Amino acid sequence: DTGVSQNPRHKITKRGQNVTFRCDPISEHNRLYWYRQTLGQGPEFLTYFQNEAQLEKSRLLSDRFSAERPKGSFSTLEIQRTEQGDSAMYLCASSRLQGPHSYEQYFGPGTRLTVT
Amino acid sequence: AQTVTQSQPEMSVQEAETVTLSCTYDTSESDYYLFWYKQPPSRQMILVIRQEAYKQQNATENRFSVNFQKAAKSFSLKISDSQLGDAAMYFCAYMGGGAAGNKLTFGGGTRVLVKP
Repeated sequence: DTGVSQNPRHKITKRGQNVTFRCDPISEHNRLYWYRQTLGQGPEFLTYFQNEAQLEKSRLLSDRFSAERPKGSFSTLEIQRTEQGDSAMYLCASSRLQGPHSYEQYFGPGTRLTVT
Repeated sequence: AQTVTQSQPEMSVQEAETVTLSCTYDTSESDYYLFWYKQPPSRQMILVIRQEAYKQQNATENRFSVNFQKAAKSFSLKISDSQLGDAAMYFCAYMGGGAAGNKLTFGGGTRVLVKP
């Protein structure tokens, strides 16, 4: 049973460039979540998918951010025209749709974005 | 909106001793879940313990236990027989009940230092 994986683990980009991150959830998990964590803070919710449907988006997710989960498996998070304030750790988590402890979310290692 | 507050930015404990981390939350819901997550330095978030609000009995996982006071909206974590590997950031998190797939709301975290 492999855990949640995220790629790349680190990304350095120049302001104004576009970046895309990938998350592969645990194989039998139907739900997938994206969070953002800035240094010294707790993670903040960005968006959530159930299968391929994006069911909730935070107001933190500006129009420069877009997330997809086209086949209900892996997900991508794209940030267009990056700004220095986008520098953060982007965390992905997944959970089961049904069954015992289906409310538990399991996290990946994150992608650390640095915008210079 | 739900909020989670961790009032202790940092706690220090001697190896083999006990440390208690505080967490309070604000909600108008009666059905919800509470969690403690551990985030070691440069490593991914790990679920330590969970508590369903409808359960009166406090959850226990090996050396980790909680004191859940629903009326006071308090959810503290006790780490017994502290080990060097317990050194990490600890985050308290809230999830509303009702519809499945709800997001986690995190506190600001408490850094635990373990002295040998």
